[in-house]
Amino acid sequence: DVKVTQSSRYLVKRTGEKVFLECVQDMDHENMFWYRQDPGLGLRLIYFSYDVKMKEKGDIPEGYSVSREKKERFSLILESASTNQTSMYLCASSLGGTRLWFFGPGTRLTVL
Amino acid sequence: AQSVTQLGSHVSVSEGALVLLRCNYSSSVPPYLFWYVQYPNQGLQLLLKYTSAATLVKGINGFEAEFKKSETSFHLTKPSAHMSDAAEYFCAVSENSGYALNFGKGTSLLVTP
Repeated sequence: DVKVTQSSRYLVKRTGEKVFLECVQDMDHENMFWYRQDPGLGLRLIYFSYDVKMKEKGDIPEGYSVSREKKERFSLILESASTNQTSMYLCASSLGGTRLWFFGPGTRLTVL
Repeated sequence: AQSVTQLGSHVSVSEGALVLLRCNYSSSVPPYLFWYVQYPNQGLQLLLKYTSAATLVKGINGFEAEFKKSETSFHLTKPSAHMSDAAEYFCAVSENSGYALNFGKGTSLLVTP
Protein backbone atom coordinates (compact mmCIF):
# COMPACT_ATOMS: atom_id res chain seq x y z
CA ASP A 1 0.00 0.00 0.00
CA VAL A 2 1.14 3.52 -0.77
CA LYS A 3 1.79 5.52 2.31
CA VAL A 4 1.86 9.26 2.54
CA THR A 5 2.87 10.44 5.96
CA GLN A 6 2.89 13.90 7.44
CA SER A 7 5.18 14.86 10.28
CA SER A 8 2.51 16.12 12.67
CA ARG A 9 -1.25 15.68 13.07
CA TYR A 10 -1.58 18.83 15.17
CA LEU A 11 0.67 21.86 15.36
CA VAL A 12 0.37 25.12 17.25
CA LYS A 13 2.61 28.03 16.34
CA ARG A 14 2.86 31.73 17.08
CA THR A 15 2.41 34.55 14.60
CA GLY A 16 5.68 35.33 12.86
CA GLU A 17 7.24 31.92 13.43
CA LYS A 18 8.77 29.97 10.57
CA VAL A 19 6.86 26.72 10.15
CA PHE A 20 7.87 23.56 8.35
CA LEU A 21 5.35 20.91 7.37
CA GLU A 22 6.90 17.70 6.16
CA CYS A 23 5.46 15.06 3.88
CA VAL A 24 7.00 11.74 2.92
CA GLN A 25 5.77 9.13 0.44
CA ASP A 26 7.17 5.65 0.10
CA MET A 27 6.21 4.67 -3.46
CA ASP A 28 8.67 6.55 -5.63
CA HIS A 29 6.00 8.92 -6.96
CA GLU A 30 7.18 11.79 -9.13
CA ASN A 31 4.38 14.17 -8.23
CA MET A 32 3.69 15.64 -4.82
CA PHE A 33 1.18 18.25 -3.73
CA TRP A 34 0.23 20.51 -0.86
CA TYR A 35 -3.39 21.51 -0.33
CA ARG A 36 -5.09 23.45 2.41
CA GLN A 37 -8.60 22.56 3.48
CA ASP A 38 -10.98 25.10 4.99
CA PRO A 39 -14.68 24.69 5.80
CA GLY A 40 -16.83 25.84 2.91
CA LEU A 41 -13.84 26.26 0.61
CA GLY A 42 -12.89 22.66 -0.03
CA LEU A 43 -9.30 21.81 -0.86
CA ARG A 44 -7.18 24.43 -2.56
CA LEU A 45 -3.84 23.69 -4.18
CA ILE A 46 -0.91 25.61 -2.73
CA TYR A 47 2.07 24.14 -4.59
CA PHE A 48 3.00 20.98 -6.40
CA SER A 49 6.17 19.36 -7.60
CA TYR A 50 6.61 17.00 -10.54
CA ASP A 51 10.25 16.17 -9.92
CA VAL A 52 13.06 16.73 -7.49
CA LYS A 53 13.91 20.42 -7.16
CA MET A 54 10.97 21.32 -9.43
CA LYS A 55 7.97 23.22 -8.14
CA GLU A 56 4.90 24.90 -9.53
CA LYS A 57 2.54 27.36 -7.91
CA GLY A 58 -1.00 26.29 -7.35
CA ASP A 59 -4.01 28.47 -6.78
CA ILE A 60 -3.00 30.02 -3.45
CA PRO A 61 0.82 30.13 -3.14
CA GLU A 62 1.05 33.49 -1.37
CA GLY A 63 2.71 33.23 2.02
CA TYR A 64 4.07 29.75 1.32
CA SER A 65 7.16 28.19 -0.20
CA VAL A 66 8.16 24.58 -0.80
CA SER A 67 11.23 22.44 -0.97
CA ARG A 68 11.83 19.12 -2.66
CA GLU A 69 15.42 18.00 -2.28
CA LYS A 70 14.64 14.28 -2.38
CA LYS A 71 12.02 12.47 -4.39
CA GLU A 72 10.19 11.07 -1.38
CA ARG A 73 9.99 14.30 0.64
CA PHE A 74 8.07 17.49 0.01
CA SER A 75 8.14 20.28 2.55
CA LEU A 76 5.78 23.21 2.91
CA ILE A 77 7.26 26.30 4.52
CA LEU A 78 5.45 29.20 6.09
CA GLU A 79 8.16 31.87 6.26
CA SER A 80 6.27 34.00 8.77
CA ALA A 81 3.12 32.34 10.00
CA SER A 82 -0.04 34.42 10.23
CA THR A 83 -3.39 33.70 11.82
CA ASN A 84 -5.07 33.38 8.42
CA GLN A 85 -2.88 30.36 7.76
CA THR A 86 -4.66 28.43 10.47
CA SER A 87 -5.99 25.48 8.51
CA MET A 88 -5.81 21.78 7.73
CA TYR A 89 -2.92 21.00 5.38
CA LEU A 90 -3.04 17.88 3.23
CA CYS A 91 -0.18 16.38 1.31
CA ALA A 92 -0.68 14.08 -1.66
CA SER A 93 1.41 12.15 -4.14
CA SER A 94 0.78 10.55 -7.50
CA LEU A 95 2.61 8.49 -10.09
CA GLY A 96 2.80 10.36 -13.37
CA GLY A 97 0.03 9.49 -15.81
CA THR A 98 -1.93 7.23 -13.49
CA ARG A 99 -4.39 9.86 -12.28
CA LEU A 100 -4.34 8.21 -8.89
CA TRP A 101 -3.65 10.46 -5.96
CA PHE A 102 -2.83 9.31 -2.45
CA PHE A 103 -3.43 11.63 0.46
CA GLY A 104 -1.79 11.93 3.83
CA PRO A 105 -3.82 12.21 7.05
CA GLY A 106 -3.38 15.97 7.26
CA THR A 107 -1.79 18.42 9.67
CA ARG A 108 -4.08 20.74 11.56
CA LEU A 109 -2.11 23.94 12.05
CA THR A 110 -3.21 26.62 14.48
CA VAL A 111 -1.42 29.97 14.41
CA LEU A 112 -1.98 32.07 17.51
CA ALA B 1 -8.70 25.35 -16.07
CA GLN B 2 -11.10 22.59 -15.25
CA SER B 3 -13.33 23.12 -12.26
CA VAL B 4 -16.24 21.52 -10.44
CA THR B 5 -19.18 22.99 -8.59
CA GLN B 6 -20.94 21.12 -5.84
CA LEU B 7 -24.52 22.16 -5.28
CA GLY B 8 -25.47 22.21 -1.63
CA SER B 9 -22.92 22.56 1.11
CA HIS B 10 -25.10 20.49 3.46
CA VAL B 11 -27.43 17.63 2.64
CA SER B 12 -29.56 15.81 5.18
CA VAL B 13 -31.26 12.48 4.51
CA SER B 14 -33.03 9.91 6.62
CA GLU B 15 -31.49 6.51 7.12
CA GLY B 16 -32.65 4.27 4.28
CA ALA B 17 -33.42 7.16 1.93
CA LEU B 18 -31.76 7.92 -1.38
CA VAL B 19 -28.54 9.90 -1.26
CA LEU B 20 -27.99 12.37 -4.09
CA LEU B 21 -24.98 14.68 -4.06
CA ARG B 22 -24.65 17.01 -7.01
CA CYS B 23 -21.56 17.94 -8.97
CA ASN B 24 -21.24 19.87 -12.20
CA TYR B 25 -17.99 20.25 -14.07
CA SER B 26 -16.51 22.79 -16.39
CA SER B 27 -14.12 21.42 -18.94
CA SER B 28 -13.36 21.99 -22.57
CA VAL B 29 -12.15 18.46 -23.04
CA PRO B 30 -13.38 15.10 -21.74
CA PRO B 31 -12.62 15.27 -18.05
CA TYR B 32 -11.39 12.82 -15.49
CA LEU B 33 -13.79 13.12 -12.55
CA PHE B 34 -13.59 11.84 -9.02
CA TRP B 35 -15.55 11.59 -5.81
CA TYR B 36 -13.72 11.50 -2.50
CA VAL B 37 -15.07 10.99 1.00
CA GLN B 38 -13.64 12.28 4.24
CA TYR B 39 -14.93 10.77 7.46
CA PRO B 40 -14.54 12.81 10.64
CA ASN B 41 -10.91 13.14 11.66
CA GLN B 42 -9.72 11.01 8.77
CA GLY B 43 -7.96 11.56 5.47
CA LEU B 44 -9.45 11.57 1.99
CA GLN B 45 -10.58 8.28 0.52
CA LEU B 46 -11.35 7.69 -3.15
CA LEU B 47 -14.96 6.60 -3.69
CA LEU B 48 -14.92 6.32 -7.46
CA LYS B 49 -13.55 7.86 -10.63
CA TYR B 50 -14.69 8.44 -14.18
CA THR B 51 -12.15 7.92 -16.94
CA SER B 52 -14.46 7.71 -20.00
CA ALA B 53 -14.65 3.92 -20.03
CA ALA B 54 -18.28 3.83 -18.89
CA THR B 55 -20.76 6.56 -18.02
CA LEU B 56 -22.06 4.77 -14.93
CA VAL B 57 -19.30 4.30 -12.42
CA LYS B 58 -19.62 2.08 -9.39
CA GLY B 59 -17.58 2.81 -6.33
CA ILE B 60 -17.07 1.55 -2.84
CA ASN B 61 -19.71 1.32 -0.09
CA GLY B 62 -22.61 1.11 -2.56
CA PHE B 63 -22.04 4.53 -4.15
CA GLU B 64 -22.22 5.18 -7.85
CA ALA B 65 -22.07 8.18 -10.14
CA GLU B 66 -23.27 8.84 -13.65
CA PHE B 67 -21.40 10.99 -16.13
CA LYS B 68 -23.81 13.05 -18.23
CA LYS B 69 -22.05 15.08 -20.86
CA SER B 70 -25.21 16.88 -21.97
CA GLU B 71 -25.72 18.17 -18.44
CA THR B 72 -22.00 18.46 -17.57
CA SER B 73 -22.83 16.58 -14.40
CA PHE B 74 -21.35 13.79 -12.32
CA HIS B 75 -23.81 13.31 -9.46
CA LEU B 76 -23.15 10.80 -6.71
CA THR B 77 -25.93 8.50 -5.55
CA LYS B 78 -26.60 5.71 -3.12
CA PRO B 79 -29.98 3.97 -3.00
CA SER B 80 -30.18 3.64 0.77
CA ALA B 81 -28.31 5.82 3.23
CA HIS B 82 -26.64 4.34 6.25
CA MET B 83 -25.64 6.18 9.39
CA SER B 84 -22.02 5.43 8.60
CA ASP B 85 -22.29 7.46 5.37
CA ALA B 86 -22.24 10.69 7.34
CA ALA B 87 -19.12 12.47 6.09
CA GLU B 88 -17.80 15.23 3.86
CA TYR B 89 -17.90 14.45 0.15
CA PHE B 90 -15.74 16.13 -2.45
CA CYS B 91 -16.07 16.12 -6.21
CA ALA B 92 -12.83 16.71 -8.11
CA VAL B 93 -11.58 17.04 -11.66
CA SER B 94 -8.12 16.30 -12.97
CA GLU B 95 -6.29 18.92 -14.96
CA ASN B 96 -5.42 18.01 -18.54
CA SER B 97 -1.79 17.70 -17.57
CA GLY B 98 -2.78 15.01 -15.13
CA TYR B 99 -0.81 16.66 -12.41
CA ALA B 100 -3.23 18.23 -9.99
CA LEU B 101 -6.76 17.68 -8.80
CA ASN B 102 -9.16 20.59 -8.56
CA PHE B 103 -11.74 20.12 -5.85
CA GLY B 104 -15.22 21.38 -5.26
CA LYS B 105 -16.10 23.03 -1.98
CA GLY B 106 -17.52 19.88 -0.51
CA THR B 107 -20.91 18.64 0.66
CA SER B 108 -21.47 17.59 4.23
CA LEU B 109 -23.88 14.65 4.41
CA LEU B 110 -25.93 14.20 7.54
CA VAL B 111 -27.88 10.98 8.03
CA THR B 112 -30.69 11.07 10.55
CA PRO B 113 -32.30 8.04 12.21
